Amino acid sequence: EADIYQTPRYLVIGTGKKITLECSQTMGHDKMYWYQQDPGMELHLIHYSYGVNSTEKGDLSSESTVSRIRTEHFPLTLESARPSHTSQYLCASTATQGNTEAFFGQGTRLTVV
Amino acid sequence: DAKTTQPNSMESNEEEPVHLPCNHSTISGTDYIHWYRQLPSQGPEYVIHGLTSNVNNRMASLAIAEDRKSSTLILHRATLRDAAVYYCTISSGSARQLTFGSGTQLTVLP
Repeated sequence: EADIYQTPRYLVIGTGKKITLECSQTMGHDKMYWYQQDPGMELHLIHYSYGVNSTEKGDLSSESTVSRIRTEHFPLTLESARPSHTSQYLCASTATQGNTEAFFGQGTRLTVV
Repeated sequence: DAKTTQPNSMESNEEEPVHLPCNHSTISGTDYIHWYRQLPSQGPEYVIHGLTSNVNNRMASLAIAEDRKSSTLILHRATLRDAAVYYCTISSGSARQLTFGSGTQLTVLP
């Protein structure tokens, strides 16, 4: 069973609001990731982290920001939501050593109206 | 980052084997090949991964070409619960981030 959790599962919010999507894992993984996925499309990496106090931008440019103050927590923030931010956001983590499987959360489906 | 190419969709009959192909001609020597599957409204689920040798686990087998430019995911006996989008991905970079392709929608017919 994957021990990685995202909240909320669904969020409908008005334009201009600040939002934070939560992601937590209890596996002690150092590496964590945020992917963005539009309906019927592939996942695109928008942020990742090697560990505490490490954040990097991914392949797809995003107006969101992330922080990594604790190993288990990797929240994503949008300062001012816009309709173009409507998408599904997926959080994942992997173990530090070697090349092992990634564990994904259930995702947050964000709709900005 | 290495790209992957997969057929958009495939069909299989229940209890028959399924071979899902993937091309990754730009893969680098240290990149791993990972497969994940995704059900609607769910996050991707790990299936299998490998570097050079063929791999087996309880879910599937992974056959990797000798030149590593392609691979095939093998489901030995498809069930209705195997219907999903299957993503062939490349794990690369120091953070081992995954690069996803467009995936194959697998339909399993009863």
